[in-house]
Amino acid sequence: GIQVEQSPPDLILQEGANSTLRCNFSDSVNNLQWFHQNPWGQLINLFYIPSGTKQNGRLSATTVATERYSLLYISSSQTTDSGVYFCAAYTGTASKLTFGTGTRLQVTL
Amino acid sequence: SQTIHQWPATLVQPVGSPLSLECTVEGTSNPNLYWYRQAAGRGLQLLFYSVGIGQISSEVPQNLSASRPQDRQFILSSKKLLLSDSGFYLCAWSVRGGGIQPQHFGDGTRLSIL
Repeated sequence: GIQVEQSPPDLILQEGANSTLRCNFSDSVNNLQWFHQNPWGQLINLFYIPSGTKQNGRLSATTVATERYSLLYISSSQTTDSGVYFCAAYTGTASKLTFGTGTRLQVTL
Repeated sequence: SQTIHQWPATLVQPVGSPLSLECTVEGTSNPNLYWYRQAAGRGLQLLFYSVGIGQISSEVPQNLSASRPQDRQFILSSKKLLLSDSGFYLCAWSVRGGGIQPQHFGDGTRLSIL
């Protein structure tokens, strides 16, 4: 099956800093989704992005499907951005998702 | 609007006891439904998915089973829990049909096996 890898695995930022999270996938995908898992375990949808670039406030995402990667940009980070960021790839039918390994982000004051 | 509910939020069970976790979706009909497990410090792994009542597909061999007795109800069960069944269980739904649709997740059940 498809492999989804994320980097870096861990990231510590000072509040106000910018960061880029990367997601590589081993095969072509039907679509790609970015999630933020907060400290309480809730998975929050960030972007549903098969290709191109989308922006939502301080966050933006870019997927280059032909090169099998996606990037999540966080600008002017805040402590509330802390948590784990997952990318997940849609393959096959029934909208099945394969999750990446995650990037654990800690934003400090 | 659509909502998804999971219960209980937290559960502590002894080894060998049975399990039943429930997930219901409101505000939509004929959804695809999914069960995932997240081990501590790990990513999410798809366990089961369902495209209709009574239709269950298993993704990995395991000690668990799933059932869909009603259109918007998805149940995760076990007859005898193992220590390795500990983890965070999440239910999700997506619109059926119209191509690939985004999944929406519940708040999860944290299961500890003693």
